[in-house]
Amino acid sequence: NAGVTQTPKFQVLKTGQSMTLQCAQDMNHEYMSWYRQDPGMGLRLIHYSVGAGITDQGEVPNGYNVSRSTTEDFPLRLLSAAPSQTSVYFCATQGYNEQFFGPGTRLTVL
Amino acid sequence: KNEVEQSPQNLTAQEGEFITINCSYSVGISALHWLQQHPGGGIVSLFMLSSGKKKHGRLIATINIQEKHSSLHITASHPRDSAVYICAVGGTSYGKLTFGQGTILTVHP
Repeated sequence: NAGVTQTPKFQVLKTGQSMTLQCAQDMNHEYMSWYRQDPGMGLRLIHYSVGAGITDQGEVPNGYNVSRSTTEDFPLRLLSAAPSQTSVYFCATQGYNEQFFGPGTRLTVL
Repeated sequence: KNEVEQSPQNLTAQEGEFITINCSYSVGISALHWLQQHPGGGIVSLFMLSSGKKKHGRLIATINIQEKHSSLHITASHPRDSAVYICAVGGTSYGKLTFGQGTILTVHP
């Protein structure tokens, strides 16, 4: 099993550009989440999903969109990148007894 | 919104010492997670617990639901335990976690 995979690992964008961060899992978990991690702020929830077709906002959803058309995939879209979105992004799934995190995407917005 | 406080923020220990990291939260929860993040970024789940105590190797996690408090203990610490330890709490939805700021642990040989 690959677990939780994220692409790309690194990305540099210019202000105003859009992009999609990909997240995929092969564990058939219903719950998936997107977090951002910033120095001094810890991890913060952006959006989460409790199953295909169902998503909800977390603590810091502005500037991000998500969709969940399948159990496996949970992409995060940046509509118009801003320097404040420079961060490390983690996707995670919730198993029976633990959370599984992807390796992260380091995003820089210039 | 649940507030999650960890202490200490930084912890330095000598190899072999017993280590305790504390986590307090403000609102009732369905589960509490302890996570480990090594330099380089990967996050690994250590424990998920909703009551009592769990043990895995040299790691022990306890939770007191009434006092809204959890502790992570490391026995016989080792330099490879050096990492950031993060407490996270979940409410009614499993996927919706609130995180503490993390505790930076450094264990010297």
